[in-house]
Amino acid sequence: AQSVAQPEDQVNVAEGNPLTVKCTYSVSGNPYLFWYVQYPNRGLQFLLKYITGDNLVKGSYGFEAEFNKSQTSFHLKKPSALVSDSALYFCAVPAYSGAGSYQLTFGKGTKLSVIP
Amino acid sequence: GAVVSQHPSWVICKSGTSVKIECRSLDFQATTMFWYRQFPKQSLMLMATSNEGSKATYEQGVEKDKFLINHASLTLSTLTVTSAHPEDSSFYICSARPKREDYNEQFFGPGTRLTVL
Repeated sequence: AQSVAQPEDQVNVAEGNPLTVKCTYSVSGNPYLFWYVQYPNRGLQFLLKYITGDNLVKGSYGFEAEFNKSQTSFHLKKPSALVSDSALYFCAVPAYSGAGSYQLTFGKGTKLSVIP
Repeated sequence: GAVVSQHPSWVICKSGTSVKIECRSLDFQATTMFWYRQFPKQSLMLMATSNEGSKATYEQGVEKDKFLINHASLTLSTLTVTSAHPEDSSFYICSARPKREDYNEQFFGPGTRLTVL
């Protein structure tokens, strides 16, 4: 079964410092991986995805993610954190659910707090 | 592009009443829409998958008679919480997958906060 794991419930980082939110995956076949962000009382916003190609994927709001096949990881990164980056971050992987349909399986989420 | 809206964004109702939540894809056609439920400080839990013109597929443990899903068109899906009770209070989020095949990219609505008194 396709799955992702986010080992950290919470990450705290000082404003201006680099941030990393971790995600590891377990998939069969070629992995398609997504990162979403959720602000309080909001739905999810797409940040970036890995399909194939370059291992470093650039996304919205200055975020990027590095796909590492040997470590089965897809960590989200940003060189310089902003207070406005404080939110809940979800890693996700699509899983085939039959009849030509796929559904997203989410990690448990990591709360990022950027401290001024 | 790829905007999904939900209505209402926030609803309070009395126990025993039914509540309908709409999910619309505003600028694309969605063959598939998904309904999720999210409890505080938790991840999204997939409730059901709905395909336009066919019955929804419910995840294990989700009561289909309690959570009625209708996907009447390629731009609209509705979730009706029937005879709502306080334990149904939650944040409900829908997502829509465009008709084009794009590696299962989904676009999410802003969510609906349901509070049952």
